[in-house]
Amino acid sequence: EPEVTQTPSHQVTQMGQEVILRCVPISNHLYFYWYRQILGQKVEFLVSFYNNEISEKSEIFDDQFSVERPDGSNFTLKIRSTKLEDSAMYFCASSEAGGDQPQHFGDGTRLSIL
Amino acid sequence: GNSVTQMEGPVTLSEEAFLTINCTYTATGYPSLFWYVQYPGEGLQLLLKATKADDKGSNKGFEATYRKETTSFHLEKGSVQVSDSAVYFCALTLYNFNKFYFGSGTKLNVKP
Repeated sequence: EPEVTQTPSHQVTQMGQEVILRCVPISNHLYFYWYRQILGQKVEFLVSFYNNEISEKSEIFDDQFSVERPDGSNFTLKIRSTKLEDSAMYFCASSEAGGDQPQHFGDGTRLSIL
Repeated sequence: GNSVTQMEGPVTLSEEAFLTINCTYTATGYPSLFWYVQYPGEGLQLLLKATKADDKGSNKGFEATYRKETTSFHLEKGSVQVSDSAVYFCALTLYNFNKFYFGSGTKLNVKP
């Protein structure tokens, strides 16, 4: 069964450094998403992406964050200047269509900011 | 607003026990409802879904019925196995939204 893959599985970064989290969505999917889960808290929506542009973003997704689909397969989340509170598990997801279609998730990247 | 509330865990059961994990929601429109499961070290996997009132989603012996009158979508299984040990997330989305709202997750531990 096709799956969403995320790399790396664990990223350790110094505060203030830039970090790029990478995802390869399922190949025939058109919608892409990033979520995060701070330890012990809810899974929170960050951003959705369709047709090479952001379709929706949460208030968490401020100017420090950006997303990109640099080629036909990768989908990246960049955090420009990391803060301690960015430490979380980041999940990428994709779906065939938007709205109420099931989203398929990767295994996540654990980001630790020191 | 839109939100999902799940019962706090962890829930610890013996093998073959009956499972209920409560989930209630608030929504600004007519939501579709989902249960996702996260096994240790893995991502969230879709377990089941229901898109309209009184629909029952089912998969792998798990069931949940969309109850509009009580705004609930409780997850049930008649006889749990050790392999069901995982974190279970209730979620909702709306037709014209491109995002899911998740509950905080309920950890299930099943002992042999």
